[in-house]
Parts: sequence; structure tokens; C-alpha cells
Amino acid sequence: NAGVTQTPKFQVLKTGQSMTLQCAQDMNHNSMYWYRQDPGMGLRLIYYSASEGTTDKGEVPNGYNVSRLNKREFSLRLESAAPSQTSVYFCASRDPGQGFEPQHFGDGTRLSIL
Amino acid sequence: GENVEQHPSTLSVQEGDSAVIKCTYSDSASNYFPWYKQELGKRPQLIIDIRSNVGEKKDQRIAVTLNKTAKHFSLHITETQPEDSAVYFCAASKNDYKLSFGAGTTVTVRA
Repeated sequence: NAGVTQTPKFQVLKTGQSMTLQCAQDMNHNSMYWYRQDPGMGLRLIYYSASEGTTDKGEVPNGYNVSRLNKREFSLRLESAAPSQTSVYFCASRDPGQGFEPQHFGDGTRLSIL
Repeated sequence: GENVEQHPSTLSVQEGDSAVIKCTYSDSASNYFPWYKQELGKRPQLIIDIRSNVGEKKDQRIAVTLNKTAKHFSLHITETQPEDSAVYFCAASKNDYKLSFGAGTTVTVRA
């Protein structure tokens, strides 16, 4: 099992460019999440998908959109990248049907906006 | 929403000593409290978690305590080793789909 796979691992964009970050999990989890991680601020939830077909805003959704393509895949899109979106982005998944199950994280995408 | 505060932000300990990280949460309905360890350049990984019906949980050199009345929980690492050097995050959840994370503690174990 690969777990949670994120692509790409690194990306440099210019201000105003668009970009889609991909996330796929092979654990048959229902819930998926996108976080951003900035120094000294921990992990902040951008969007999440409780189950296939649903998406909801998290703590910092502005400037982002998401698509839950199917049960396995959850993508994050930056329509017009801004330098403030320079961050490390983590995708995670979880199976809420098992009770207090933890979230499992991918390796992250390091995104720089120039 | 839930607000989780974590202290200290940095912690330096001598190898073999203990390390303690404390977190407070704001929502008394929170009932699940995981701790994640993140090594430099790596993904966060769960190291231990506790539910609100339990006051303490241990796993080898790691323990977590929970005080529901005071709304705080702590991570204890005993007999620290160089491989314990990492950033540790606490989090809280109230049985829904979302975790609220603390800002993290950078632990450095000095040889």
C-alpha cells in the first residue's frame, strides 16, 4: 500500500499562474483533507471532504478550490497563485467509520510562488 | 471553532532527560486528542492519541495525560534519545471530521 500519494513534490509558480495539486489514497478512506503548513503556525485546514460527493471549507479556504473526483482522489486548485500561498501543502485521509481513527498524511507538496 | 494552544514552541533537553509538551483546548465538547511527530522534511505521523474517556495512555517511552476539567493535555517523553528530535503537534477534535492543530513544538535532544 502506498497510503496517501501527493503530486507534485515540488513546484515553483509565478504570481497569477494556476495550479492543481493532486492527492490519491489507496486505503479506501471516506474522508480526505487539505492542509497548509507555514512556519510557527502548525497545520491549517483548507478544505475537506467528509465523503465522496461532499466538500466543505476549513479554516483558510480563500484562494483555493477543491474537487473530490472519486473516493480515492481529492485535488486542490489555486486559480491565481499569490506569494501568500507559498507553503507546504499536505493531503490526509481518514476512515471515520472506524470511530476515532487518525488522519494519515501524504509526503507534502512544497509550493513557491514568485 | 476549536482553538488549540501549544507550549513551549521550542524545547531543548539533554539526552536521557524527559520532555513535556502541554496543550490547551477551548471546546469542552472535544473528545479526541492525537499527537503527531514530524521529522524535518517529512510527513506528520501519529505517535499516540487519547480519547476523552481516558485520563492517561502510555506507549513505551511516550505517555499522554488528559485533564478534561482544565481542558488541557500533555505529551511526556521519557529517556529522550537523539531520534526524538522533531516537531511535535497536538490536535483536538470533537468527533466530527476535523482536527484543530496546535502550532507545534520543536524538540532538540542534545547528545
